[in-house]
Amino acid sequence: DIQMTQSPPFLSASVGDRVTITCQASDDIRSFLNWYQQKPGKAPRLLIFDSNILDTGVPSRFSGSGSGTDFTFTINNLQPDDVATYYCQQYESLSPVTFGGGTKVEI
Amino acid sequence: QLLLQESGPGLVKPSETLSLTCTVSGASMRSVDHFWGWVRQPPGRGLEWLGSIYFAGNAYSNPSLKDRLTLSVDPSQNRFSMTLYSVGAADTAIYYCARVRRRAARPGPHDFWGPGTQVTVSS
Repeated sequence: DIQMTQSPPFLSASVGDRVTITCQASDDIRSFLNWYQQKPGKAPRLLIFDSNILDTGVPSRFSGSGSGTDFTFTINNLQPDDVATYYCQQYESLSPVTFGGGTKVEI
Repeated sequence: QLLLQESGPGLVKPSETLSLTCTVSGASMRSVDHFWGWVRQPPGRGLEWLGSIYFAGNAYSNPSLKDRLTLSVDPSQNRFSMTLYSVGAADTAIYYCARVRRRAARPGPHDFWGPGTQVTVSS
């Protein structure tokens, strides 16, 4: 399995801050890396796919970068609505597709 | 508007079989650009990928489930299903179905999700 190590597991920031989450893959996954947002009691929502492509309707304050084994997810100008848990997901290997452990973002 | 809705039993006894169905509305399942998939989330924990299936029947499953998981698809009814055999307490989770974009000839990002259905394994 390709292990996805996401950090930090928890972060607290203020409205307007820039927040950065990292995801490290145990093997080269090229750019096959997605980011999801999950609010309490809700299904995940796709934010970014293929490392840095913003999905339709996602605010531009969200961004992603990286390739190979190291990836970064950034929220610029953190808003109260961004309180959620964020997950990375690799799909370079389908045996299996794996998620990071999640980062809970609070304000 | 694309909608996905999971259905199935909320309670299953240990060692029995769990069957869930996802009904798709607002789009055809015969899209060449999409797979259809399942993800679960145990209480208070992260996301676990279960598998994805194409409308033609090609399927990818999580090896950790070994021979316990079967995926199926019925495009004529716009629904797909999963069957998990010999369930145990560790299978207690919220189960989500999702549409999965086909990228680089493989299942990629999960772009539309059902609301999820809680499944509890208990006697």
